[in-house]
Amino acid sequence: KQEVTQIPAALSVPEGENLVLNCSFTDSAIYNLQWFRQDPGKGLTSLLLIQSSQREQTSGRLNASLDKSSGRSTLYIAASQPGDSATYLCAVKKEWWGGSEKLVFGKGTKLTVNP
Amino acid sequence: KAGVTQTPRYLIKTRGQQVTLSCSPISGHRSVSWYQQTPGQGLQFLFEYFSETQRNKGNFPGRFSGRQFSNSRSEMNVSTLELGDSALYLCASSLLRQGTYGYTFGSGTRLTVV
Repeated sequence: KQEVTQIPAALSVPEGENLVLNCSFTDSAIYNLQWFRQDPGKGLTSLLLIQSSQREQTSGRLNASLDKSSGRSTLYIAASQPGDSATYLCAVKKEWWGGSEKLVFGKGTKLTVNP
Repeated sequence: KAGVTQTPRYLIKTRGQQVTLSCSPISGHRSVSWYQQTPGQGLQFLFEYFSETQRNKGNFPGRFSGRQFSNSRSEMNVSTLELGDSALYLCASSLLRQGTYGYTFGSGTRLTVV
């Protein structure tokens, strides 16, 4: 059974700091991995999608890496801003053999960026 | 391009009642999945529909059901509501069943059972 863990559960940093959020998964047979952002009481906003054959993806100040063999992904946020404050969720999709179509989520990292 | 639309945004129901939630996927997306989010359990998979057929179901009681229409819109129904059903219900759509291009989520329906 796939389990996804995100560490730390909460993180508070001053504005302008570079930071790394971690995601680990127990079953390396993944199809892809997706990072989401969730603001309080809102839905999920997709940030980055990494296919199992890729090592990293970048979008603006965000960079996500994937090490499938070790079961790890990191989300790097450069020059953090107060607007980055949110909960960040990592979700993995199992290798698709016509079976499971679900995403397995971590519990998230709650990020607070202080002005 | 419109995103995933979930209605209603908020619902308050009494224990024992039933409720129906609606989800309209992105145009052209045929796969719709439902998730329940609670502070204690996080995000848990409910079920997935593709081409009007339920393809996969999570570990939830039979009180939770759903369906998908020919236009890919989906509804989720919870009967005999319990206090523990209070949660944010999220719908996600995907272009392909295997999620090659990832999933897009709606804003959710906040259900409160009193």
